[in-house]
Amino acid sequence: QQQVKQSPQSLIVQKGGISIINCAYENTAFDYFPWYQQFPGKGPALLIAIRPDVSEKKEGRFTISFNKSAKQFSLHIMDSQPGDSATYFCAASKGGGADGLTFGKGTHLIIQP
Amino acid sequence: DAGVTQSPTHLIKTRGQQVTLRCSPKSGHDTVSWYQQALGQGPQFIFQYYEEEERQRGNFPDRFSGHQFPNYSSELNVNALLLGDSALYLCASSFRGLNYGYTFGSGTRLTVV
Repeated sequence: QQQVKQSPQSLIVQKGGISIINCAYENTAFDYFPWYQQFPGKGPALLIAIRPDVSEKKEGRFTISFNKSAKQFSLHIMDSQPGDSATYFCAASKGGGADGLTFGKGTHLIIQP
Repeated sequence: DAGVTQSPTHLIKTRGQQVTLRCSPKSGHDTVSWYQQALGQGPQFIFQYYEEEERQRGNFPDRFSGHQFPNYSSELNVNALLLGDSALYLCASSFRGLNYGYTFGSGTRLTVV
């Protein structure tokens, strides 16, 4: 049972464009929704995270939009740059719990110069 | 500021053998969680160690076991290796057993032949 569904699997965006990655979750007990960026040969690195008490969070060029009623959240990368080319994972968890993060399957993002 | 350190970086083992992977958490962190990342997939939660105890386990068999030492470092042991155990094994550290602010290491690439 996949509790976090991520789309698209791959995405190609022109430099300067907006990259959008979507995730949907099933477990209503989840209360922490982070996004991770992973480069080849490296571990995932935390980009930005949101709690369900807000609908949007912005940090630099990265924005999370959160829709609690639809059980969906998305990552927007504004002014996408070639250095943003990486695999992005959404995740969800009970933040205060011990049962770890549930990850989506990932989106391979390519920013074309 | 030292991040999460994992060793070894790469490992090749034969089916049926046993393997031990090691992790030192980020300075100031006291909780270690282990994840398995198959090629092209998101990380899957194996278990979490806090206060030298396994607090929660994901959907992994008892062949996977671990330990946390008083200095917060941790080991992951896998017995009776199967070909399907080939993956990137990631260690993540955090504070006080929480899922917030995970820092991942670069992982150990395990190949079972």
